[in-house]
Amino acid sequence: QKEVEQNSGPLSVPEGAIASLNCTYSDRGSQSFFWYRQYSGKSPELIMSIYSNGDKEDGRFTAQLNKASQYVSLLIRDSQPSDSATYLCAVNPRGYQKVTFGTGTKLQVIP
Amino acid sequence: EAQVTQNPRYLITVTGKKLTVTCSQNMNHEYMSWYRQDPGLGLRQIYYSMNVEVTDKGDVPEGYKVSRKEKRNFPLILESPSPNQTSLYFCASSPLGGTGGHGYTFGSGTRLTVV
Repeated sequence: QKEVEQNSGPLSVPEGAIASLNCTYSDRGSQSFFWYRQYSGKSPELIMSIYSNGDKEDGRFTAQLNKASQYVSLLIRDSQPSDSATYLCAVNPRGYQKVTFGTGTKLQVIP
Repeated sequence: EAQVTQNPRYLITVTGKKLTVTCSQNMNHEYMSWYRQDPGLGLRQIYYSMNVEVTDKGDVPEGYKVSRKEKRNFPLILESPSPNQTSLYFCASSPLGGTGGHGYTFGSGTRLTVV
């Protein structure tokens, strides 16, 4: 079982819709969770971090964490074509000073 | 501007010719790390450093070396590059390794081709 799993996509949503991206992780003791956005040929950019169960909102982005079910999700409201990118889920495993990345979900927002 | 600077951006080299990719950060971060990114495999950690003179292996360290003589610099050394090290490389830094909700700041990346 991979440490961090994401559906590779592509996930296609129409402009203005809500995009829902999901991620599961294997280490139940994981402590910190991150979402990065990566445009083609560019470096990953941190957009959200979360470490408590529940929702965390930042503008059009909402991160959701459910430690009991070991999943973390990212919602993007009012999706824009500029949101088209690959979204990487990352997890800080218990006891490790590092972050493990999923392989990413490619999001396509259709105008 | 807070940033991680990697050089070079693009590099084509021949098998066996030693090379160094430089990485420097201006945020006084304790933690620095190198990742490689390959299609279908995602970002995989090569080496990381918790502080000056403290380095440790990541998930794919074979064929790579690092050093951390100064807090701001963390070069990646390929002593004898091989074609399977053709990849996109990223340097990243963080106040901590990923605990406490601190994420990474990434450099712009180095696309390495070994022929």
